[in-house]
Amino acid sequence: DTEVTQTPKHLVMGMTNKKSLKCEQHMGHRAMYWYKQKAKKPPELMFVYSYEKLSINESVPSRFSPECPNSSLLNLHLHALQPEDSALYLCASSQDLTGGAKNIQYFGAGTRLSVL
Amino acid sequence: AQKVTQAQTEISVVEKEDVTLDCVYETRDTTYYLFWYKQPPSGELVFLIRRNSFDEQNEISGRYSWNFQKSTSSFNFTITASQVVDSAVYFCALSAYSPSGAGSYQLTFGKGTKLSVIP
Repeated sequence: DTEVTQTPKHLVMGMTNKKSLKCEQHMGHRAMYWYKQKAKKPPELMFVYSYEKLSINESVPSRFSPECPNSSLLNLHLHALQPEDSALYLCASSQDLTGGAKNIQYFGAGTRLSVL
Repeated sequence: AQKVTQAQTEISVVEKEDVTLDCVYETRDTTYYLFWYKQPPSGELVFLIRRNSFDEQNEISGRYSWNFQKSTSSFNFTITASQVVDSAVYFCALSAYSPSGAGSYQLTFGKGTKLSVIP
């Protein structure tokens, strides 16, 4: 089973709202990722967690706040977003951050976010 | 720095035709990994294959085959007898050691090739 589950599938929010995206995997993976993907572009890495600790933050604005409560769960808290933040947000997981087969990233179906 | 180039932005083929998606990569690392992912309209990136830099064997999986050539830094993907269900965006990606990335391996994606298979 290589399933990564993301909720919600779609989200519409205003610029003053606070919302959260959720990602869950039960493959025993210890690395989890958030990506942002704009239309007709490849995914862009936002955050990486390794063993529940933030390992990489790709200079993402503070209106995006990640959280990893346990090894199976990854959240992305959203606050005061801008219309240009509208995108597909993808979560992924891998066994760990080393190379080889352990670094194959498995992706969820994403959350399509619209900021009005 | 790593770079992946997918020169074909969009390709259209008629069902049952063969199609090859090109991928050229750049890296200075001797140990690296190459991937192909499929992204159908639903949005999920589906892992298709991983190849490491030491294994140049070509691979076939059903209608899919991959040709890895280090001499030309290419990792091309061929779909034989294409089907409508193959319509998707295909991403080639490279993973190599990144000291700035917390000493980890991170994916560098190409821009993707949109494949449309016409019935």
